[in-house]
Amino acid sequence: EAQVTQNPRYLITVTGKKLTVTCSQNMNHEYMSWYRQDPGLGLRQIYYSMNVEVTDKGDVPEGYKVSRKEKRNFPLILESPSPNQTSLYFCASGWNRGNSPLHFGNGTRLTVT
Amino acid sequence: GENVEQHPSTLSVQEGDSAVIKCTYSDSASNYFPWYKQELGKRPQLIIDIRSNVGEKKDQRIAVTLNKTAKHFSLHITETQPEDSAVYFCAGGVDSSYKLIFGSGTRLLVRP
Repeated sequence: EAQVTQNPRYLITVTGKKLTVTCSQNMNHEYMSWYRQDPGLGLRQIYYSMNVEVTDKGDVPEGYKVSRKEKRNFPLILESPSPNQTSLYFCASGWNRGNSPLHFGNGTRLTVT
Repeated sequence: GENVEQHPSTLSVQEGDSAVIKCTYSDSASNYFPWYKQELGKRPQLIIDIRSNVGEKKDQRIAVTLNKTAKHFSLHITETQPEDSAVYFCAGGVDSSYKLIFGSGTRLLVRP
């Protein structure tokens, strides 16, 4: 089954404790992206990747890191999480660029206390 | 930079009525406009998209219209059903860019 898999689904952590949210897709998509969803703000892009080893900042990259060492994986790293990073995070993938249909993962709800 | 504004933020309609959600975009180079539906507690899923060389696209009860001159596009849902209740997001993108900018979302409630 074609899918984007995120883990974990729920995560509660404390300020400053490094964490990684994993994302994997099995559709051989070149394009992958991370979004955060906050009430009233829609989906805001954090980082995106055009292919292996090629990444770029979205609209809200501060406090986040990403890597794309393999085509299927695109982890999101929070080196020192803060409470303002409490949010619902979605990973998405698509064939190319940002203007092809996106397939979203099931989301990761992160709480930073 | 590119900005996509979406209205209304909430919309309540009676079952069977039509619903219209409107979006405007700022970048005249935008040429790809998808709509995503997000049911409660679930992921966004593409329901329809349109490119700038087309003025209207329909798929059963849903349709999207695009006015390039005015830089706005709209989602139309006819004969609404309770299962249409969800949050709908519009978005705008450019072929030469890797960014897709989303609107802030519209929460649609269809009353039985």
